[in-house]
Amino acid sequence: GAGVSQSPSNKVTEKGKDVELRCDPISGHTALYWYRQRLGQGLEFLIYFQGNSAPDKSGLPSDRFSAERTGESVSTLTIQRTQQEDSAVYLCASSFLAGAYEQYFGPGTRLTVT
Amino acid sequence: GESVGLHLPTLSVQEGDNSIINCAYSNSASDYFIWYKQESGKGPQFIIDIRSNMDKRQGQRVTVLLNKTVKHLSLQIAATQPGDSAVYFCAETPNTGNQFYFGTGTSLTVIP
Repeated sequence: GAGVSQSPSNKVTEKGKDVELRCDPISGHTALYWYRQRLGQGLEFLIYFQGNSAPDKSGLPSDRFSAERTGESVSTLTIQRTQQEDSAVYLCASSFLAGAYEQYFGPGTRLTVT
Repeated sequence: GESVGLHLPTLSVQEGDNSIINCAYSNSASDYFIWYKQESGKGPQFIIDIRSNMDKRQGQRVTVLLNKTVKHLSLQIAATQPGDSAVYFCAETPNTGNQFYFGTGTSLTVIP
């Protein structure tokens, strides 16, 4: 079956604009994670969803960041009033369950805020 | 807080040699560990995992060693090939939660 897909692959936006990033997880995976990866750095946890449980939002850097997931399907990460420091690759991963299970990553969305 | 770090940010090896990439972690409650490989412009790709009840696990050309006493994890790649050139990340999750914590990464360059 298909892996994790993300769209768009690249996004250039002006400072102050809102952006929405999309993630399609692997079918049947109940857990979905969002990460941010700045150039030359590791992955920074943002948020994860597990089934219909309340998401763990503890990694979101500010209230400009939010994410939603409909059931066990598509998730969107929204960044409002983008700032230049938001420029990064945003990676989505899904896994069978949250926790000690292999995460499958999408190719990421490269966000550039000008 | 969590801390997952790598001893060496870059590593260059000759093709055919063995590579060892190291990772330190600070949380004694870490329960599950994964090594990922990330090629330029792509998302991380799973290589091998290990749970805290093991100290060694082998895959195809790769071996992961876990030393819980000193909170150290290593990835050994046998007969390194040019296609192994990438950034390698270790990640861990504690038995107290579902978050994964990633290290900064080690850039491996294989010299033909």
